[in-house]
Amino acid sequence: QVQLQESGPGLLKPSETLSLTCAVSNYSISRGYYWGWIRQPPGKGLEWIGSIYQSGTTYYNPSLKSRVTISVDPSENQFSLKLSSVTAADTAIYYCARTIFDYVWENYRYAYAYYMDVWGKGTTVTVSS
Amino acid sequence: SYELTQPPSVSVSPGQAASITCFGDKLGGKYASWYQQKPGQSPVLVIYSDDKRPSEIPERFSGSNTGNTATLTISETQAMDEGDYFCQAWDSTYVLFGGGTKLTVL
Repeated sequence: QVQLQESGPGLLKPSETLSLTCAVSNYSISRGYYWGWIRQPPGKGLEWIGSIYQSGTTYYNPSLKSRVTISVDPSENQFSLKLSSVTAADTAIYYCARTIFDYVWENYRYAYAYYMDVWGKGTTVTVSS
Repeated sequence: SYELTQPPSVSVSPGQAASITCFGDKLGGKYASWYQQKPGQSPVLVIYSDDKRPSEIPERFSGSNTGNTATLTISETQAMDEGDYFCQAWDSTYVLFGGGTKLTVL
């Protein structure tokens, strides 16, 4: 079955750039699907960061867009997240997830279906001086 | 900006049905998904496209979405269903999550 594994530094100083990688196993990124990042501050809810298609098409959370870059490396079967100028507010568990995103006809209407069906275990990132 | 609103907590007795709501303006025109998260674990997709259930999710989980409200229903709730539940939808160009509902099975 498909597995995702996040990796990257767990501790950053304010103003540094967060860089995380998500390695995908048992499925080729090149075959399709979107691939996304979601984070969860301690004791709080989920916040979507953004997602990327294997072609490179990206979507970002408007509140983070100016600081976020998501990229994909099909040759390594992984995708990455960069978040610049981090502050303590960026302290969170960061998850990567396989994402379905399609314009579909269901329940008598057309609409965008977007959901994450496989998640990584998450990696904790702390921003502290 | 668009928002999804969930009750912070819902309590249910074992064996009873639990309903968790997610409110958003004209949410019925979008597709809603639901995730279950237990302490220390990653979220798990339990409902997608309003009412579709992944094959590994028990049949007691069901969903609906009409008007401004999406609803996750767990029939015959079990102790193992305790956890946080998040609704999620796509709006225009980005993804929204509800604030989450803590389900307690008393």
